[in-house]
Amino acid sequence: DAGVIQSPRHEVTEMGQEVTLRCKPISGHNSLFWYRQTMMRGLELLIYFNNNVPIDDSGMPEDRFSAKMPNASFSTLKIQPSEPRDSAVYFCASSLESGGPPYNEQFFGPGTRLTVL
Amino acid sequence: SQKIEQNSEALNIQEGKTATLTCNYTNYSPAYLQWYRQDPGRGPVFLLLIRENEKEKRKERLKVTFDTTLKQSLFHITASQPADSATYLCALDATTGGGNKLTFGTGTQLKVEL
Repeated sequence: DAGVIQSPRHEVTEMGQEVTLRCKPISGHNSLFWYRQTMMRGLELLIYFNNNVPIDDSGMPEDRFSAKMPNASFSTLKIQPSEPRDSAVYFCASSLESGGPPYNEQFFGPGTRLTVL
Repeated sequence: SQKIEQNSEALNIQEGKTATLTCNYTNYSPAYLQWYRQDPGRGPVFLLLIRENEKEKRKERLKVTFDTTLKQSLFHITASQPADSATYLCALDATTGGGNKLTFGTGTQLKVEL
C-alpha cells in the first residue's frame, strides 16, 4: 500500500488567498484525521471523520477552516481566507476503527508545509 | 484544564545506554495511551499502545509503562543506537463518545551519540 497520500507537500501563498489541502487515506481505513503541527502548540487535532461523517470538529480554529470527505478515498481541508498565523505543517492520518477496543494506530501522511506570507 | 507534559528539553544519551522518556498528564482518564516516533520532515509513526489495565508493554528494545495512579507513562529504549535519534510523542485517548480521538504531547527529542 502507498500509505496516506497528501498534496501538495509544500504550499506558499499570500494572506487572503484560499488554500486547499488534499488527502487520500489508506484503502480500507474508515477514520480520517486532520492535524496541525507548530513549534509552539505541537500536534493538534483539527477534525476527524468516521465513515466519511465528521465526528468531532472542536479543534477547527475558526470559520475560515472547513473540511470535507465526499467519499472514503478523499478528503480536503480548506482555509479561506488564509492568514500568516495559519503557517504550519498539516498532517492527515487514517486508521481502521471498530468503534470500540481494540483501538488502532493512526497512520500519518508526510504532511503539507503551509507558509502564508 | 487538561494537560499532557513531556520533557521539552532534548535528551542526549550515549549509544548502548537506556533512554527513558516521560509523559505526564492531568485531568484525563485515558483508556489507552500510544507512543509515536517522528523524524524531521516526516509524519509520526506508531510504536506502541498500552491500555489502562496494562502495567507494561514490550516490543523488541522498547518498553512502555502506564501508571494511572501517578498519571504517568514511561517509554524506555534499551541498548540505544544513533538510529533511535528522533522526537518521541505520547498520545492519550481523548475520546468522549467512541472513535479514536488522540491528544498529543509536544514530544521529547532524543539524540543518541556514539
